[in-house]
Amino acid sequence: GQQVMQIPQYQHVQEGEDFTTYCNSSTTLSNIQWYKQRPGGHPVFLIQLVKSGEVKKQKRLTFQFGEAKKNSSLHITATQTTDVGTYFCAGSAAGNKLTFGGGTRVLVKP
Amino acid sequence: NAGVTQTPKFQVLKTGQSMTLQCAQDMNHNSMYWYRQDPGMGLRLIYYSASEGTTDKGEVPNGYNVSRLNKREFSLRLESAAPSQTSVYFCAMRQGWSTDTQYFGPGTRLTVL
Repeated sequence: GQQVMQIPQYQHVQEGEDFTTYCNSSTTLSNIQWYKQRPGGHPVFLIQLVKSGEVKKQKRLTFQFGEAKKNSSLHITATQTTDVGTYFCAGSAAGNKLTFGGGTRVLVKP
Repeated sequence: NAGVTQTPKFQVLKTGQSMTLQCAQDMNHNSMYWYRQDPGMGLRLIYYSASEGTTDKGEVPNGYNVSRLNKREFSLRLESAAPSQTSVYFCAMRQGWSTDTQYFGPGTRLTVL
């Protein structure tokens, strides 16, 4: 079945620095989504990418969908303590279901 | 979380006990989902329901049953709980017809002793 992998599993970042987390699917996706989960909370939708090569920005967050629609990345600039949490990508190949990656847990050092 | 409610928030069971996790949505959407999240792990789909009266297995359905009796409610039942079912359970609903985006409930933290 479809598999979605994320790297790195953990990201320790100094406050103010940039970092990128990557997501790779074993199959071509119709779209990819990113969610953020704060410690003890539930996943919250951030963004959806649909088109090949698409790039979207949300303030300090930049999301990219690969040309082959099998990979994606999330880049955060000038990391803040509010960025702490786990970031999940989730891919949809067809139909109703999403397959979630294992997540990147982000820890920020002040 | 607006739109999706889950009960209970916390539950402790003994091995072999049964229980039902409740989920309700008030946004009139068709598709609903049950996931489990083990510590430090991602979300794995247990069951989903594309519409009232229909259910389908996800990635990890063994040991669970579901019921979608009406459009609002989608329940998850553990008939004979096992320690391996200790997890956080999230219910979610699909946001709308033209998107796969999902809204998640606050979760139920289940411990099986």
